[in-house]
Amino acid sequence: SQTIHQWPATLVQPVGSPLSLECTVEGTSNPNLYWYRQAAGRGLQLLFYSVGIGQISSEVPQNLSASRPQDRQFILSSKKLLLSDSGFYLCAWSVRGLLSYEQYFGPGTRLTVT
Amino acid sequence: GESVGLHLPTLSVQEGDNSIINCAYSNSASDYFIWYKQESGKGPQFIIDIRSNMDKRQGQRVTVLLNKTVKHLSLQIAATQPGDSAVYFCAENYPGRRALTFGSGTRLQVQP
Repeated sequence: SQTIHQWPATLVQPVGSPLSLECTVEGTSNPNLYWYRQAAGRGLQLLFYSVGIGQISSEVPQNLSASRPQDRQFILSSKKLLLSDSGFYLCAWSVRGLLSYEQYFGPGTRLTVT
Repeated sequence: GESVGLHLPTLSVQEGDNSIINCAYSNSASDYFIWYKQESGKGPQFIIDIRSNMDKRQGQRVTVLLNKTVKHLSLQIAATQPGDSAVYFCAENYPGRRALTFGSGTRLQVQP
């Protein structure tokens, strides 16, 4: 069966510090990968998605970047965090293909920028 | 721009009653819709999905209804239980887009 991991589960970082969140998927190959951010009590905002190694699409301009160094690894980064970067970060994967839209979410990382 | 939204931000029901959560979408090209359940501090979990060639789909205690004429989607939960308390999101996709567009969510509170 497929599983998706995210770490760390929680993170408190000062403004101006760097960020690296990692997501890995097991049990599937060539997945589409996604990063979402969720503000408290709000919906999910798509940040990045990737259809393959080194292929990253950005949905909104922001202080963050993403990379996919391996097929099942997706990393979210920032060089200098802002207060507005606080939120719940969710990684998701979906089966690559024209007909499969269902996305499977990881447990999330709670980021607090102080 | 195109968007998916919800009519009610919070829905409170009694245990054992049926719940109906509504969602409106504006992109007439959307051909896939999905409902997620998100418990506090956790990632969203898949509940049920439906494609635009269907009007209704049933799962275990859940039913999704799609009305393409008025671009409306609903999630019905039968015999609502305390464990159903969560935030529910609808999402849509359309051909050529590789990511879902999520609505803002509805909080379901089940009163014992």
